[in-house]
Amino acid sequence: AQSVTQLDSQVPVFEEAPVELRCNYSSSVSVYLFWYVQYPNQGLQLLLKYLSGSTLVKGINGFEAEFNKSQTSFHLRKPSVHISDTAEYFCAVSAGYGGATNKLIFGTGTLLAVQP
Amino acid sequence: KAGVTQTPRYLIKTRGQQVTLSCSPISGHRSVSWYQQTPGQGLQFLFEYFSETQRNKGNFPGRFSGRQFSNSRSEMNVSTLELGDSALYLCASSLDSGNQPQHFGDGTRLSIL
Repeated sequence: AQSVTQLDSQVPVFEEAPVELRCNYSSSVSVYLFWYVQYPNQGLQLLLKYLSGSTLVKGINGFEAEFNKSQTSFHLRKPSVHISDTAEYFCAVSAGYGGATNKLIFGTGTLLAVQP
Repeated sequence: KAGVTQTPRYLIKTRGQQVTLSCSPISGHRSVSWYQQTPGQGLQFLFEYFSETQRNKGNFPGRFSGRQFSNSRSEMNVSTLELGDSALYLCASSLDSGNQPQHFGDGTRLSIL
């Protein structure tokens, strides 16, 4: 069965500093990985996705993530954060049952708190 | 292009009542999924519909049900509400079959008194 672990529940960082949000996954089948962001009182917005191909994935708002199969990781990075990046970030894995479902399994989320 | 629309945004109910939540997917999307988000359990998958058929179901009691109409709009129903059903209910739509990126609505905040 698939699972996702986000080790950090909260990451404080100063504005303009780099940040990395960690995500590890467990899966016995092909994985499709996603990062979503949730701002207060809103739904989830897709930041980026890994379906296949290049292991370095670029997303919106300057975020990128690297798929590492040997370490079963999909960490999210941004070289310089802004106050507006303060939000909850969720890593998710798709079941990948030969394309039979869009079901996502989410990690517990990481609150990115950007301080001036 | 309009995004995923969920109605109502906020709902207050009492224990024992039932509730119906509505979701209109992005135009052209045929897959709709529902998730429950709570501080304690996080984001949990409820069910997924594709072309009016339930394709997948999460580990929730039978009080939780859903359906999808021919225009891909979906509803979920919760009967005999319990305090623990208080949550943000999120709907997501996808273009087609599996492993597609999902686009989420802003959710319905359900509070049970």
